[in-house]
Amino acid sequence: QSVLTQPPSVSETPGQRVTISCSGSSSSIGNNTVNWYQQLPGTAPRLLIHSTDQRPSGVPDRFSGSKSGTSAFLAISGLRSEDEADYYCSSWAGSLTGHVIFGGGTKLTVL
Amino acid sequence: QVQLQESGPRLVKPSETLSLTCELSGVSITYYYWSWFRQPPGKGLEWIAYFYYTGSTNYNPSLKSRVTISADPASYQFSLNLTSVTAADTAVYYCARGLGYAPDVWFDSWGQGTLVTVSS
Repeated sequence: QSVLTQPPSVSETPGQRVTISCSGSSSSIGNNTVNWYQQLPGTAPRLLIHSTDQRPSGVPDRFSGSKSGTSAFLAISGLRSEDEADYYCSSWAGSLTGHVIFGGGTKLTVL
Repeated sequence: QVQLQESGPRLVKPSETLSLTCELSGVSITYYYWSWFRQPPGKGLEWIAYFYYTGSTNYNPSLKSRVTISADPASYQFSLNLTSVTAADTAVYYCARGLGYAPDVWFDSWGQGTLVTVSS
């Protein structure tokens, strides 16, 4: 059972906007940053968002991250078929002596 | 260009030790976190451990008693040892580079992953 909770699946049509949630606690998301990874079938994870809302170079601005309280959100606008993938949120459990944690992942289907 | 490549046995017997190496190219050990992750077939990602270039380490509490991570800056590689493996340790194992500073650490470069099966 994952420490961070994500919906198992979401779906939306091309061109639309979808939001994936990631629920944690005060000791995880509530007091730490959040990262998001995209995993296409059969490939390694790819960093999409770091430090809650920062996009690495090369990630389209269709992807954005935010946080409110103990939940984080990944928004994808202008959906494309190539966005169909698994998305994972990640944060930190505890303080400086804590450790990395993941959500269970969300399968995005572009209808 | 940063590249990471996992190597090691693809098949490990139950109760034995799983040993993997991640070879780096285009980057040195210095100034980064170096981490191992795994993903059982059809399941989600799990962080295993990381090594910081200063020599400090951090382990997933659920695996800590069985895991050792180490790095050899001179040889541009770092390693994972997981002892007393069972079928539950069957997974694709990934190595990755971490940026930032704990607890704000993110993993920007990943190896392609290697499937390790635990079976007799």
